[in-house]
Amino acid sequence: EDKVVQSPLSLVVHEGDTVTLNCSYEVTNFRSLLWYKQEKKAPTFLFMLTSSGIEKKSGRLSSILDKKELFSILNITATQTGDSAVYLCAVGAAAGNKLTFGGGTRVLVKP
Amino acid sequence: EPEVTQTPSHQVTQMGQEVILRCVPISNHLYFYWYRQILGQKVEFLVSFYNNEISEKSEIFDDQFSVERPDGSNFTLKIRSTKLEDSAMYFCASSEAGIYNSPLHFGNGTRLTVT
Repeated sequence: EDKVVQSPLSLVVHEGDTVTLNCSYEVTNFRSLLWYKQEKKAPTFLFMLTSSGIEKKSGRLSSILDKKELFSILNITATQTGDSAVYLCAVGAAAGNKLTFGGGTRVLVKP
Repeated sequence: EPEVTQTPSHQVTQMGQEVILRCVPISNHLYFYWYRQILGQKVEFLVSFYNNEISEKSEIFDDQFSVERPDGSNFTLKIRSTKLEDSAMYFCASSEAGIYNSPLHFGNGTRLTVT
């Protein structure tokens, strides 16, 4: 059974801090790893990673994948209160057209 | 930016009743999905749909569930006889290509409450 584990479960930081979120996975025939931000309702897409070692960046957010060690990290630098959300990691495997989600990391950024 | 739209945003129904949740995927997308999230739990896959047929379904997606693309724009999820444990947020999603090549874009969800 495919498994995706995120850590930490939650964290509280102050504006300006840097956060690092972790996602480890065990899937058969890995194909892609995706990060989503979930505020109130819809998960909104952040990054899709398929290759090891290539950092993807979007503003203050960045992410990288390690297919040998089976994990990914999501970094948020210079955090703002608007970064407060649940961050979801999801993995797609060759056996089927579906994503397996982790439990999420809840981030609270205090002013 | 194009988005996935879902209606209604909240549906309350009695146990045993049928419900239909509606979705309008992004117009040039070819793959459609339903996921659900029970309060406080992980987002779970229900079903994927491509080329007018189900391409994969999970164990949750039993005979009580069905999906349909009745016209060129809508994608629906029907639950025939709802149970209390069907109470959850149901997300529709769509993607241009399969999950190996393009991300899923999610709608805002329908919160289903079964009483």
